[in-house]
Amino acid sequence: EDKVVQSPLSLVVHEGDTVTLNCSYEVTNFRSLLWYKQEKKAPTFLFMLTSSGIEKKSGRLSSILDKKELFSILNITATQTGDSAVYLCAVEAASSGSARQLTFGSGTQLTVLP
Amino acid sequence: NAGVTQTPKFQVLKTGQSMTLQCAQDMNHEYMSWYRQDPGMGLRLIHYSVGAGITDQGEVPNGYNVSRSTTEDFPLRLLSAAPSQTSVYFCASSYTGTGRLKTQYFGPGTRLLVL
Repeated sequence: EDKVVQSPLSLVVHEGDTVTLNCSYEVTNFRSLLWYKQEKKAPTFLFMLTSSGIEKKSGRLSSILDKKELFSILNITATQTGDSAVYLCAVEAASSGSARQLTFGSGTQLTVLP
Repeated sequence: NAGVTQTPKFQVLKTGQSMTLQCAQDMNHEYMSWYRQDPGMGLRLIHYSVGAGITDQGEVPNGYNVSRSTTEDFPLRLLSAAPSQTSVYFCASSYTGTGRLKTQYFGPGTRLLVL
């Protein structure tokens, strides 16, 4: 059974701090790993990673994948109150035939205090 | 483009009632899926479809049916609602080109309460 585990479950920091969110996985036929940010409603896409060791960056957010050790990290530098959200990690795996599925972790609740 | 739309936004059902959650997308995406999200459980895949006429079960399919008669629509049916189906339901769609799921676009969600 495919498994995605995120840590920590929750995190409280102050504005300006740097945070690192972790995602480890055990899946068969790994295809890609995705990070989402979820505020009040639907998740919004942040990054998709497919290759080991290549950092994806978007402003203050960055992410990297280690396919050998089966984990990814999401870094947020100079955090702002608007970064407060649940951050979800999901792994795409190829199941039987051509079908593909995403398995989500339970998320990390980040709270950034002013 | 409207993106992914879901109706209703909120629904209260009694145990044993049936209902259909609607999902539609106007981006011509092949792949559509339904998730439920419960506190502390993340998103769990219920059913998915890789194209019109093709559906398959995800992680938690029991108690739910789906069909995909058109590329645009992917309704989720609860045949006999149970309190354990109280959850927030998200529909998502994406392209599948080059063998990988591209960015998944999520609908706004349907909050379902079963009494």
